[in-house]
Amino acid sequence: QKEVEQDPGPLSVPEGAIVSLNCTYSNSAFQYFMWYRQYSRKGPELLMYTYSSGNKEDGRFTAQVDKSSKYISLFIRDSQPSDSATYLCAMREGAQKLVFGQGTRLTINP
Amino acid sequence: GAGVSQTPSNKVTEKGKYVELRCDPISGHTALYWYRQSLGQGPEFLIYFQGTGAADDSGLPNDRFFAVRPEGSVSTLKIQRTERGDSAVYLCASSMERDNEKLFFGSGTQLSVL
Repeated sequence: QKEVEQDPGPLSVPEGAIVSLNCTYSNSAFQYFMWYRQYSRKGPELLMYTYSSGNKEDGRFTAQVDKSSKYISLFIRDSQPSDSATYLCAMREGAQKLVFGQGTRLTINP
Repeated sequence: GAGVSQTPSNKVTEKGKYVELRCDPISGHTALYWYRQSLGQGPEFLIYFQGTGAADDSGLPNDRFFAVRPEGSVSTLKIQRTERGDSAVYLCASSMERDNEKLFFGSGTQLSVL
């Protein structure tokens, strides 16, 4: 079993929809949780970073962490075609290496 | 430079050959990471440098893989006796010291071993 599980999709939604992306993990020592966005033939870029349980909002993006369930989410409101990309969750324990999920491929249809 | 630069962007080689992949991090970033991303998968950690030294090389799959960062800036990932299974995108990332949740990634080197 992988440390971080993420549904690879693909996920296709109409423009303006609310998108929900999720990851589960097995290592209870993970403390830092991140979401990266990766466009085709590009490296991942950091979208959101959270420490501990709770919600964090940045514009149209909300990251949610539930440590008791070992479950993290990313919500995208008012989705745009430019949001079409692969979304990777990532997490780490202390100063250790980042562990990434498989990535969910998202398409926003105009 | 404005971002992390990786060269070449594409490398095609034959099984058994030696390859070198280069990473130029963001100026002033002391931490440098190499990851490998296979098709349809998330990046997998290979090695982490803090300055010139490899602080964690636990992700290197075997002794055919080696990386250096002699002056604490540019890094080279070296792969000996390449195998078809080494085909992947090799990503480099850098970050400020003590800020390693904010990794800045390059666009990667697509390595194809024929």
